[in-house]
Amino acid sequence: EDQVTQSPEALRLQEGESSSLNCSYTVSGLRGLFWYRQDPGKGPEFLFTLYSAGEEKEKERLKATLTKKESFLHITAPKPEDSATYLCAVQANFNKFYFGSGTKLNVKP
Amino acid sequence: DAGITQSPRHKVTETGTPVTLRCHQTENHRYMYWYRQDPGHGLRLIHYSYGVKDTDKGEVSDGYSVSRSKTEDFLLTLESATSSQTSVYFCAISESYGGGNTIYFGEGSWLTVV
Repeated sequence: EDQVTQSPEALRLQEGESSSLNCSYTVSGLRGLFWYRQDPGKGPEFLFTLYSAGEEKEKERLKATLTKKESFLHITAPKPEDSATYLCAVQANFNKFYFGSGTKLNVKP
Repeated sequence: DAGITQSPRHKVTETGTPVTLRCHQTENHRYMYWYRQDPGHGLRLIHYSYGVKDTDKGEVSDGYSVSRSKTEDFLLTLESATSSQTSVYFCAISESYGGGNTIYFGEGSWLTVV
């Protein structure tokens, strides 16, 4: 069964304290893995797409990596404005997307 | 911004009444989607469209219907709203068919069925 699991469900960090969010997946035929950021009361905002194991993408303090079974979203020296829920999704076949439940990140000053 | 407008943004309705949510895009993307987001379930696909008048069911389509008469508009209808359909509804679009096409989301429509 195709599924996506994110961990932890919630993460509290001090400003400047680096950490990683995990997205593990079980799908047949990965076509793409996506990371989104979602602020309260807003729609998910696209961050990255990863296509194959070994690929990495960076944007400001965020870096996403991909292996054959999981993806990590590394947050380096986070700031309070990085607080949000981070969603992971995989595309397993044409137009079939599976979303994880998200990791709620809270960065305290 | 992905050029997606959802309306209404907030609605309270009574059980048994019909409700229609509208999604309008300015990107001329072929694919449009309706998702619902609930605590503990993440985003779940209700219906999607791959062209004008071409639609298909997602994983939670019972109680919902959709229509797409123009490329830019995708309507989601709850024929007879139930309390279990209280949720946040997101419209999304993607530009291409095939592997790794990114989905972009609208701002959401908050629906409460009382």
